[in-house]
Amino acid sequence: DTAVSQTPKYLVTQMGNDKSIKCEQNLGHDTMYWYKQDSKKFLKIMFSYNNKELIINETVPNRFSPKSPDKAHLNLHINSLELGDSAVYFCASSQGGLTSTDTQYFGPGTRLTVL
Amino acid sequence: AQTVTQSQPEMSVQEAETVTLSCTYDTSESDYYLFWYKQPPSRQMILVIRQEAYKQQNATENRFSVNFQKAAKSFSLKISDSQLGDAAMYFCAYRSAFSGNTGKLIFGQGTTLQVKP
Repeated sequence: DTAVSQTPKYLVTQMGNDKSIKCEQNLGHDTMYWYKQDSKKFLKIMFSYNNKELIINETVPNRFSPKSPDKAHLNLHINSLELGDSAVYFCASSQGGLTSTDTQYFGPGTRLTVL
Repeated sequence: AQTVTQSQPEMSVQEAETVTLSCTYDTSESDYYLFWYKQPPSRQMILVIRQEAYKQQNATENRFSVNFQKAAKSFSLKISDSQLGDAAMYFCAYRSAFSGNTGKLIFGQGTTLQVKP
């Protein structure tokens, strides 16, 4: 069973389009995250949700809108895609809280290419 | 703001040898957690090892161990008996232990490890 899954794994689209990436976790975790890995492999937090409530929004352009229909899902919708949005997007989940056992488990990533 | 620095973009090691990957971080907090993640070519992020800042004892997981120097703000990863499957990009990451932090991971730039047969 896949713990954290993302669809699609690859996404190629034209500039200006709107696209969504879906994430689901079956670990029963309360907290979910979106990270962006740029072309230089640098990973940075974008958003975090805890029990469907937004708790982190790291100065991401408002073209990016996360949506959490329930605590097992955190989707990422991107409007008016730009060339600079090309990256790998990772979803992650954790139990929540701040103990050392709060390990973040990552999905396989979605490689987004904007042409 | 906290930062994490990995000063070695690339490292290589002979199979069965030992290699150490460096990581330094900057923080004014006294309580936090440190992690090493591995990212093989498959792109999957895999947790290798974690360390609680309040613990003086260095964490170990089989062939992986850390050298945690809190005063120096250093957190290096030692891989013993390197195997071909260890070839990957390794990321050092920091997470605050304070309730206001929300649990986000702050990553270093990564170190690509090559294992030579």
